[in-house]
Amino acid sequence: QVQLQESGPGLVKPSETLSLTCTVSGGSISSYYWSWIRQPAGKGLEWIGRIYTSGSTNYNPSLKSRVTMSVDTSKNQFSLKLSSVTAADTAVYYCARDEPDLDYWGQGTLVTVSS
Amino acid sequence: QSVLTQPPSVSAAPGQKVTISCSGSSSNIGNNYVSWYQQLPGTAPKLLIYENNKRPSGIPDRFSGSKSGTSATLGITGLQTGDEADYYCGTWDSSLSAKVFGGGTKLTVL
Repeated sequence: QVQLQESGPGLVKPSETLSLTCTVSGGSISSYYWSWIRQPAGKGLEWIGRIYTSGSTNYNPSLKSRVTMSVDTSKNQFSLKLSSVTAADTAVYYCARDEPDLDYWGQGTLVTVSS
Repeated sequence: QSVLTQPPSVSAAPGQKVTISCSGSSSNIGNNYVSWYQQLPGTAPKLLIYENNKRPSGIPDRFSGSKSGTSATLGITGLQTGDEADYYCGTWDSSLSAKVFGGGTKLTVL
């Protein structure tokens, strides 16, 4: 059974860079797309982007200028960096396998942007 | 504003049937498969329907999906109190080259 676990700081200061890592267990990260999705409190899902294990990416056009994704197949991990964060970036961040349906999800991690 | 349009809420009595609509355009639903996700309170979303009408292993046949043109529908029969959740449709948008979601529909089982 594939499992995903997000990790990273729960508090980020405004204007700084949010960095999260998703560790995949129970299966290989290779030959799949892997996505990041976020959800502000009480609001809907927003797709941030995805990365293939070759390193190819697709990003949400509304976030593209601030997003960078990377993958480390040796560690079965993929990562998200979101730069120049503001309070509007406060949300629960999920990682998921993009099959292309999002069939396995992490439990989510709350990231708060505040000074 | 979400690219896909869903009703904010629906409700029905236990045992009854409910449908949730998802409206899009030719650049998304019209030319791509639709997925549906169930998000129980305080948990991560779970894949409910993929490729318009297929159920992953373990999803009961009370849940069904359909697509016509630029709209998709999730159906739930034999409603149970445990079905109370937020439901999201999702698909790929070929113009945006991005995955898009509906705004979500809150199901209340009265």
